[in-house]
Amino acid sequence: RKEVEQDPGPFNVPEGATVAFNCTYSNSASQSFFWYRQDCRKEPKLLMSVYSSGNEDGRFTAQLNRASQYISLLIRDSKLSDSATYLCVVTGTGTASKLTFGTGTRLQVTL
Amino acid sequence: DVKVTQSSRYLVKRTGEKVFLECVQDMDHENMFWYRQDPGLGLRLIYFSYDVKMKEKGDIPEGYSVSREKKERFSLILESASTNQTSMYLCASSVHRGYNEQFFGPGTRLTVL
Repeated sequence: RKEVEQDPGPFNVPEGATVAFNCTYSNSASQSFFWYRQDCRKEPKLLMSVYSSGNEDGRFTAQLNRASQYISLLIRDSKLSDSATYLCVVTGTGTASKLTFGTGTRLQVTL
Repeated sequence: DVKVTQSSRYLVKRTGEKVFLECVQDMDHENMFWYRQDPGLGLRLIYFSYDVKMKEKGDIPEGYSVSREKKERFSLILESASTNQTSMYLCASSVHRGYNEQFFGPGTRLTVL
């Protein structure tokens, strides 16, 4: 089983739509959780951290369910510029700086 | 802004050649990382370093070595390149051991013929 699993997509949605991505992780002792964004032929960049209480940044909402080992990202009012691959990322135990990346979910927002 | 630079965007080498990939960060970060990214496999950690002259194996270190002689520079070495090392190589850095956000360089697309 992969340490971090994501639906690869692609998710094709019209502008203005709401879209949700899910991610599961296998290590119950994982301590920190993130969503990174990677544009085509570019490097990954941190989108947002994910907290148990849930957190929101503009049109983006991230949720963590530790009991189910499940992370989600909700994007409201999708824009063309949201088209990218979204990477679910978790840290391991012991070495807090090490990140384990999911393979990513591709989003294509269309007119 | 944090800047992580990599020596080449594209590189073509022949099987058996020794290959050096260089990464430099300008923000005095303690941690540096080398990943490779392949379709369907995502980013996989090759090696990382928490300090000068210090290195630790990641998940897929076989066929690679690293060098960190200066804090700002982290080199990835392919001692004898093979075709299965054709990939996108990404370098990253983060502030210190307990700090998670990693800043990535633009990547080097390596093709081994």
